[in-house]
Amino acid sequence: AQSVTQLDSQVPVFEEAPVELRCNYSSSVSVYLFWYVQYPNQGLQLLLKYLSGSTLVKGINGFEAEFNKSQTSFHLRKPSVHISDTAEYFCAVSGTGANNLFFGTGTRLTVIP
Amino acid sequence: DGGITQSPKYLFRKEGQNVTLSCEQNLNHDAMYWYRQDPGQGLRLIYYSQIVNDFQKGDIAEGYSVSREKKESFPLTVTSAQKNPTAFYLCASSIRAAEAFFGQGTRLTVV
Repeated sequence: AQSVTQLDSQVPVFEEAPVELRCNYSSSVSVYLFWYVQYPNQGLQLLLKYLSGSTLVKGINGFEAEFNKSQTSFHLRKPSVHISDTAEYFCAVSGTGANNLFFGTGTRLTVIP
Repeated sequence: DGGITQSPKYLFRKEGQNVTLSCEQNLNHDAMYWYRQDPGQGLRLIYYSQIVNDFQKGDIAEGYSVSREKKESFPLTVTSAQKNPTAFYLCASSIRAAEAFFGQGTRLTVV
């Protein structure tokens, strides 16, 4: 089975500063990795995904993430955040042959003006 | 436009009542999922279905039931056996687990 750990439940950051949201996973098989964003009272929207190939993945809204197999991590980064980035962010993992996604507990990003 | 539609957006239930949450997709996805979201607990899987007329329990299936009579539809019934049903419910669909697409959610409140 797979599992995901998001170490930071809340991350406050000033506008235009860089941010990193951490995600570590555990799995005994090859994985797919995802980051989703959720705005209040809405569903989840895919930010980016790693299926194979380049370990640096670029997504929407200027976000990117790097797959590090040796450290079993998939941290999300943005060089300069905006007020509109305030939301909850979820990391998710699935086995490449699996039928289910496993989600972390989420990180609430608050951008301070 | 293709997507997933959940209805209603807000739902109120009296103690002891069963309620059914609707989820419809027109993405032609085989797999559909129901998640429950509570503050600080992330998403927990209730049920999932990989194919019509087949579904499996997730981590917190007790007090819930589902059906999958059509590829497009995967309704969730919250029964009176679910002791703490107040939560935000999310439906999703995917082509296997390569990427999940989510509906806008239903907020259920017990009154």
